[in-house]
Formats: sequence, C-alpha cells, structure tokens
Amino acid sequence: DGGITQSPKYLFRKEGQNVTLSCEQNLNHDAMYWYRQDPGQGLRLIYYSQIVNDFQKGDIAEGYSVSREKKESFPLTVTSAQKNPTAFYLCASSIQSTDTYEQYFGPGTRLTVT
Amino acid sequence: EDKVVQSPLSLVVHEGDTVTLNCSYEVTNFRSLLWYKQEKKAPTFLFMLTSSGIEKKSGRLSSILDKKELFSILNITATQTGDSAVYLCAVDYLGNTPLVFGKGTRLSVIA
Repeated sequence: DGGITQSPKYLFRKEGQNVTLSCEQNLNHDAMYWYRQDPGQGLRLIYYSQIVNDFQKGDIAEGYSVSREKKESFPLTVTSAQKNPTAFYLCASSIQSTDTYEQYFGPGTRLTVT
Repeated sequence: EDKVVQSPLSLVVHEGDTVTLNCSYEVTNFRSLLWYKQEKKAPTFLFMLTSSGIEKKSGRLSSILDKKELFSILNITATQTGDSAVYLCAVDYLGNTPLVFGKGTRLSVIA
C-alpha cells in the first residue's frame, strides 16, 4: 500500500541526547515536510524539502536538522540544542498538479524527553 | 505576515447539534484552502476548496469558501460522538510550498 511511515510511534530519550525520527514515503512525492504539534498550537513547520538534496527551514527550525538524500526519505534529528523537544512530530508529503494539491500525513511520532 | 485563524478554539456540543467552524486567512497568492480532521494521530483530509461559493459535501459535513471575505466554514449537522476531534484549516499559496495551518478547533460532542 502507498503511504507515509514514521518510526518509532513512541520515543523516550534523556535530556542532552540527539534523536533521529524516521519518515519514509512510497507515494513518489517530491515535497516532504516535518511539523511539530503541541497542545493548542496547531501544526508548526520545522523543515521542508521540495527536491532531493535541498531543504528549507520552517518557522521553528532551531535545534533541529534534516537530510534529504533520497526522494523517499526525510529523517529529522532533534538535537540537544532544542530546548523543549517533547512533542508530537508529524511528517507529511505532497503532490501538486495544475488544479489540485494534496498533502498526506504519516501517523506521527510522540517524543518524550526527560 | 501570512496567517490562518480558526474560531472557536474549542467547542462542546450535544449529540444531534449542528456546528459551524470558522477559518479566516490572510495570504498572498491564494490557491486553495484545506480542511483536515485530527483524532488521535495523523490529520485526515476532508475537503479542498478553490472556488468561492461552491459547497463541498461529504455526508453530514459540508464546507464553503468565500474568497472575497477570505474565510471558509465547515458545517457538521446531526453531530455524533465520533465527530469529536481537532479540525484543522490550512491554506495553500504559490503552489507546492508548505501549507499554513491554523491552530485548530477542538470539538467535543457529548452524548
């Protein structure tokens, strides 16, 4: 089945450790995105990538890093520099034609840092 | 600065009630407005609106866009407890750039 997978579903880390969240899609979408969701905050964009080997900072990129070496994969690293990393992280990909736009989301990773 | 504003932020209704959720936006080069429903995990797509005045319907849900007044509404009739979720509004502009999301409306439907 086509879709977006994120792993793991739940992740626990100690403060000061870097952690990498996985996002893979087999939809052949060019664009991929990482969002962070906190209670009452909606979705906030961390990074996005429109083509392989290129990515752009979103609204809250500080303390995060990404790579886009393959079209299918867009991993997100939460570094120790991120002051409040505990959150729900959503990966998405999108396709655009002349008359439509659709963005699909993965199931999310809930990260808890103690 | 582009933005999308949803109201109310939260809403509690009884089963059978009809609700209207609002989304206003201020973006340049608007292309489309999207509604998503988020229960416990990933948001799921509901509607995409590109033209003013054309209602989109899916069962008890419907939505319409007003590009002159820059807003959209999402209506849910005969609400059920399964409608309890966060409803997200997002706007697409300039094509293939990140959607701009509102903060969402948390709807709680009680029996």
